Amino acid sequence: EVQLVESGGDLVQSGGSLRLSCAASGLAISDYWMNWVRQAPGKGLEWVASIKEDGTERDYADSVRGRFTISRDNTKKSVTLQMNSLRVEDTAMYYCARDGGWHCFDHWGQGTPVTVSS
Amino acid sequence: QSALTQPASVSGSPGQSITISCTGTSSDIGAYNRVSWYQQHPGKAPKLIIYDVVNRPSGVSYRFSGSKSGTTASLTISGLQAEDEADYYCNSYRRNSSPVFGTGTKVTVL
Repeated sequence: EVQLVESGGDLVQSGGSLRLSCAASGLAISDYWMNWVRQAPGKGLEWVASIKEDGTERDYADSVRGRFTISRDNTKKSVTLQMNSLRVEDTAMYYCARDGGWHCFDHWGQGTPVTVSS
Repeated sequence: QSALTQPASVSGSPGQSITISCTGTSSDIGAYNRVSWYQQHPGKAPKLIIYDVVNRPSGVSYRFSGSKSGTTASLTISGLQAEDEADYYCNSYRRNSSPVFGTGTKVTVL
């Protein structure tokens, strides 16, 4: 089955850290940019971070730059989002998504929930 | 970067056709034929339903169609069905810029 599976979401206190993981199965990711997209409760989709095929380029939304780090391991077909200095406003469902090209997100995981309490 | 603008809600009766607009700029929708649309049912992950303005991925119903005019892209759902009730988001490539989604449209089947 073709899928992306996220894990690592949890309830954490403000200022804390979490590490999200995304594992691909039946789906090639080594030739694609990979992304994290989040959705706060009742809100729209917000792109968070992306990483180039070989990991040499990374990009972040202004809201997370300096606090979040995206990385990947193509040998393990996985993508990771290290989240530090978490804030209440980081509370959201976090999705891993493959960029099929030209910012078209052709495959999505089921999401992992992150809740940051004050 | 600013999100693409969509109407907050659109509704229609079963069997009708509805159209959702997505307004961008000359730097994104107006410059590239790289508009994609996503359907998201409550509690579910988004799903790609249109890419490159007009193309449907395998398995997506023919009732979904896309178009573009100038800086505005549109998604049309024909023969509206109860299962089409969901949130819909657009996205467009923008050169030398990070990905950005539309504001989202809630479709209600009356």
